[in-house]
Amino acid sequence: GQNIDQPTEMTATEGAIVQINCTYQTSGFNGLFWYQQHAGEAPTFLSYNVLDGLEEKGRFSSFLSRSKGYSYLLLKELQMKDSASYLCAVKDSNYQLIWGAGTKLIIKP
Amino acid sequence: NAGVTQTPKFRVLKTGQSMTLLCAQDMNHEYMYWYRQDPGMGLRLIHYSVGEGTTAKGEVPDGYNVSRLKKQNFLLGLESAAPSQTSVYFCASSTGSSGANVLTFGAGSRLTVL
Repeated sequence: GQNIDQPTEMTATEGAIVQINCTYQTSGFNGLFWYQQHAGEAPTFLSYNVLDGLEEKGRFSSFLSRSKGYSYLLLKELQMKDSASYLCAVKDSNYQLIWGAGTKLIIKP
Repeated sequence: NAGVTQTPKFRVLKTGQSMTLLCAQDMNHEYMYWYRQDPGMGLRLIHYSVGEGTTAKGEVPDGYNVSRLKKQNFLLGLESAAPSQTSVYFCASSTGSSGANVLTFGAGSRLTVL
């Protein structure tokens, strides 16, 4: 079956750096997405990786290793507003999105 | 620009009742989707549409029906609600399914079935 694994919850301190990992086993691969979802709100797009390597967007970076079935989202200079759930999703061979359960990130002052 | 709008935002139903969730998008997107989100689980695709007049089943279609009579609207119906359908429902749209097509989500509809 298809599976996306990510930690259920993480805690970090304001101003610090946190890395959220995602491992996947899917039927084919057509890209990996990270979405951010604040409590009670809609998911919003953060990043997309289809080739191996690091994509940087301001304070957020996303890394992909297709051979290892692994990605991480790196958040730098954490702010209180970064408290949210982070969803990892992979497009399979049929271009369907398979979603992880999400990682709830708690930022402490 | 409204993006994706879902109505209603909240609804409480009794077992056996029926209802329709409405999703409207103003971005001229071809693809539209209905997901449900439950605690501890990833988003699960209920039904989707690749264009006006077309619909297809997703991962968890049982107990739901959909219609896409107009390009901008995608309706999700529950004919006979069950407590297992208590969930948060999200509608989303995109320009296509390949490559880096990003989903734009509505704000969600929280449904409780008693």
